[in-house]
Amino acid sequence: AQSVTQPDIHITVSEGASLELRCNYSYGATPYLFWYVQSPGQGLQLLLKYFSGDTLVQGIKGFEAEFKRSQSSFNLRKPSVHWSDAAEYFCAVEKNTGFQKLVFGTGTRLLVSP
Amino acid sequence: EAGVTQFPSHSVIEKGQTVTLRCDPISGHDNLYWYRRVMGKEIKFLLHFVKESKQDESGMPNNRFLAERTGGTYSTLKVQPAELEDSGVYFCASSQEGRLAKEFFGPGTRLTVL
Repeated sequence: AQSVTQPDIHITVSEGASLELRCNYSYGATPYLFWYVQSPGQGLQLLLKYFSGDTLVQGIKGFEAEFKRSQSSFNLRKPSVHWSDAAEYFCAVEKNTGFQKLVFGTGTRLLVSP
Repeated sequence: EAGVTQFPSHSVIEKGQTVTLRCDPISGHDNLYWYRRVMGKEIKFLLHFVKESKQDESGMPNNRFLAERTGGTYSTLKVQPAELEDSGVYFCASSQEGRLAKEFFGPGTRLTVL
C-alpha cells in the first residue's frame, strides 16, 4: 500500500532563513506527488505538483520541491521564509492512473520566529 | 469564482447524536471528494463522487457514515450515530476532471463528538 512519511511534526524557522520540509513515499512506481498548505481557517491549497519530467518543480509563493527517485523523497524548500508562511504543510501522493484518491502524510506544522 | 464551501464550519455534538455535513463544490465540477483528518493523524480519503454516482467509497469507515450527492450538485455526509472517534476535520474537494491535481479543497468542518 502507498504511504507518505513526513518525519517532522513541528519545525521552527527564523524569518528570512531557508526551509526544507521532508517527505518520503512508499510506492511501487513513480507516483504523482503534491505539496499542500493549510493556513488557519483556510482550505488546503496546492503549492506544487510533480507528474514527470524535470525533477525540480517550482510552485507558488516561492516554494520548490525536488523529486529524488533513488531516495523516494519529495522535499519542499524555500530559500527565505516569511512570517506568513507559518502554516501546516502536507505531502501527498496519487496513483497515476486517473480518478484516484490522494494519500497524505501526517503534516508538518511550520512556526516562523521573528 | 466561488470556491468549495462547507457547512457548518464547526459542530459539537454528543455521542449518539446525528450530524450532517454539507459540501458545495465549485459549479460545474463533476468530481467531489470527502476526506477526514482525525486529530494528529494524516488526512484520509473517504469517498469520491462522479456527478451523483459513488465512484469509490473504499475509505468510508463503517455504515454509520452515509454520503449522498443528489442531482450531482452539493453533497452531504451524515454520521449516525456519532461516536467519539468520529471527531476530526472533514474536508471536501472538487475537480472538473478526474485528475485531482486540479482540485480545490474546502476549509473543512471541524466535528467534535463529546
